[in-house]
Amino acid sequence: EAGVTQSPTHLIKTRGQQATLRCSPISGHTSVYWYQQALGLGLQFLLWYDEGEERNRGNFPPRFSGRQFPNYSSELNVNALELEDSALYLCASTPRMSTASNEQFFGPGTRLTVL
Amino acid sequence: DQQVKQNSPSLSVQEGRISILNCDYTNSMFDYFLWYKKYPAEGPTFLISISSIKDKNEDGRFTVFLNKSAKHLSLHIVPSQPGDSAVYFCAASVGRGGADGLTFGKGTHLIIQP
Repeated sequence: EAGVTQSPTHLIKTRGQQATLRCSPISGHTSVYWYQQALGLGLQFLLWYDEGEERNRGNFPPRFSGRQFPNYSSELNVNALELEDSALYLCASTPRMSTASNEQFFGPGTRLTVL
Repeated sequence: DQQVKQNSPSLSVQEGRISILNCDYTNSMFDYFLWYKKYPAEGPTFLISISSIKDKNEDGRFTVFLNKSAKHLSLHIVPSQPGDSAVYFCAASVGRGGADGLTFGKGTHLIIQP
């Protein structure tokens, strides 16, 4: 069974640009979570999508947004990039909400560098 | 405001001995706790979890203990093996549904020495 995949592995952008990160969940999983891991910090919850809808978001500004597609893959968009957006962005998936355990299955992450 | 704290950034343990990783939390609403292990260039992988209705959960070499009154949990690895060298993250959530995502600590880098 294929795990969670993320692309690209690395992304370099300059301040003010937009970044788009992609995530494909495990087959059969409908929920996708996005996390940010900045240097020296733990993973910070960003966004949660389930069945194509944004269900919840963490304490991040609106320039962090995303969507979930009908095949349950997801995209994270970061607009007006700032230097402090440099971080590892991790995507995780879980089965359908109603039967979900709290175990989340993580992808390898996208390393975003903002210059 | 860090709700999940792992106060030891690193821990060095000799192969074959017990590794004990600690985690404290401040949010009394947390009722489900997980440990994840992370190797470089890989995503975190789930190790073991515990619900607040229990005080111990065991899976092979891994045991998690929960002390609700102290808001403290620990992960015991016995015996420690070289492949256990990794960063370990403690995580917590309110309820099993994961609506607010998982709240993670900063991680402890475990080094198993031969």
